[in-house]
Amino acid sequence: KAGVTQTPRYLIKTRGQQVTLSCSPISGHRSVSWYQQTPGQGLQFLFEYFSETQRNKGNFPGRFSGRQFSNSRSEMNVSTLELGDSALYLCASRTGDTGELFFGEGSRLTVL
Amino acid sequence: AQSVTQLGSHVSVSEGALVLLRCNYSSSVPPYLFWYVQYPNQGLQLLLKYTSAATLVKGINGFEAEFKKSETSFHLTKPSAHMSDAAEYFCAVISGGYQKVTFGTGTKLQVIP
Repeated sequence: KAGVTQTPRYLIKTRGQQVTLSCSPISGHRSVSWYQQTPGQGLQFLFEYFSETQRNKGNFPGRFSGRQFSNSRSEMNVSTLELGDSALYLCASRTGDTGELFFGEGSRLTVL
Repeated sequence: AQSVTQLGSHVSVSEGALVLLRCNYSSSVPPYLFWYVQYPNQGLQLLLKYTSAATLVKGINGFEAEFKKSETSFHLTKPSAHMSDAAEYFCAVISGGYQKVTFGTGTKLQVIP
């Protein structure tokens, strides 16, 4: 069974640009969560989608958005990039409400 | 509300020594608890999980954790550290349906040869 796949793995953007990251969950997993990881702030929850609906949201500005498609694949978008958005963005999927998360290897974003 | 506290952002042990990483949680309902490990530039990998079946949980790579309700703790241990255990470890909690998974701030484990 294939794991969680995130693309791209690495990307470099400049301030003011926008970026879209993609996540394909494990087959059969309907929940997809996104996390931002930085050395200073640690692992911070962005949002979770379940069956195309956002059901949990972290404390991030509106520049951060996401969506989930009918095949459970998810994308997150960050608009008007700032230097502080440089981070490892992790996607994770899970089966049920209390199941463990399965993580992808992340997308490392560098904003110059 | 749920939260997780990991004591010690950095822990150093000698190779062959006991590993003890501390995790305390708060939850208004019986929790589900997890330990994850992260190697550099990789995602998080599940080490073990507690789902109320047994208080002592055995995981991969020789790690285990004990759920102590009276102490609201879920500490991770390994009898003998190996160089390959050097990584960052995260404790996490879910305390109910439709809840997000809340992570602790992580503990970086250094293993000294």
